[in-house]
Amino acid sequence: EVQLVESGGVVVQPGGSLRLSCAASGFTFDDYAMHWVRQAPGKGLEWVSLISWDGGSTYYADSVKGRFTISRDNSKNSLYLQMNSLRAEDTALYYCAKDITHGGSYFEIDYWGQGTLVTVSS
Amino acid sequence: DIQMTQSPSSVSASVGDRVTITCRASQGISSWLAWYQQKPGKAPKLLIYAASSLQSGVPSRFSGSGSGTDFTLTISSLQPEDFATYYCQHAGTFGQGTRLEIK
Repeated sequence: EVQLVESGGVVVQPGGSLRLSCAASGFTFDDYAMHWVRQAPGKGLEWVSLISWDGGSTYYADSVKGRFTISRDNSKNSLYLQMNSLRAEDTALYYCAKDITHGGSYFEIDYWGQGTLVTVSS
Repeated sequence: DIQMTQSPSSVSASVGDRVTITCRASQGISSWLAWYQQKPGKAPKLLIYAASSLQSGVPSRFSGSGSGTDFTLTISSLQPEDFATYYCQHAGTFGQGTRLEIK
C-alpha cells in the first residue's frame, strides 16, 4: 500500500523558514517523480513543485520560485521542501504527492498524503 | 502560461442524474489532462488521467473526454458519495474547481 506521510508544518512568522518532509513507502520511491501541492484554507489546489525521480530536474510555480527548494533522498525514501522568506499567502495545507508515470512525469498525480499545515503569521 | 478554466463553478444535482463538468485550456494541450475528486477534509483522488483513462479502482460511471482545448468529466448516474469538488489539471495548473452539491 502506498503511503505518503508529511511532517514539519507549524506556525512561523513572516520572513521565516521551514522544512517540510515526506516519508514514502509502499512503492519503489526512486522510480517516480514527486510533487508538492498546496491548498490554502477554503481555496483550490495549487501545484508548488516537482522533482524528477533522480533529483536531477526540479520545477517550481512562479509564486514560490527563488524561495522554495525541493529535494529528495532516495536512500531514505524521503521528499523535502525547504521554504524560505515565507509570506502570509504561503499559509496552506501542503500535500506530498506521487507522480503516476514510471521514470518520467506528465504532472499527473496518483497518490497524495494527508497534508501538513503551514501557517505564516506574526 | 496555460490557464485552465472550469465550468460551472458549482452545480446542484440529484442522485441518479447525469452530470458534465467542462475544463477549457487557454491553448492546446493534446490529451495531457487529469481530473481529481476532493471531499471535505480529505486529500484529492485521481479519477481520470490522459484525458480519458480511468484510474484503477474508480467506478465506471466516471468518464473523461476531449483533446486540444476542451475537455469534459461526466458522471453518468450520480451516487451519494459523488458529491464533492472536482478539479482538472494540466501540468502545473489546476482549474479553479467545480463544487457538486445535492439538489
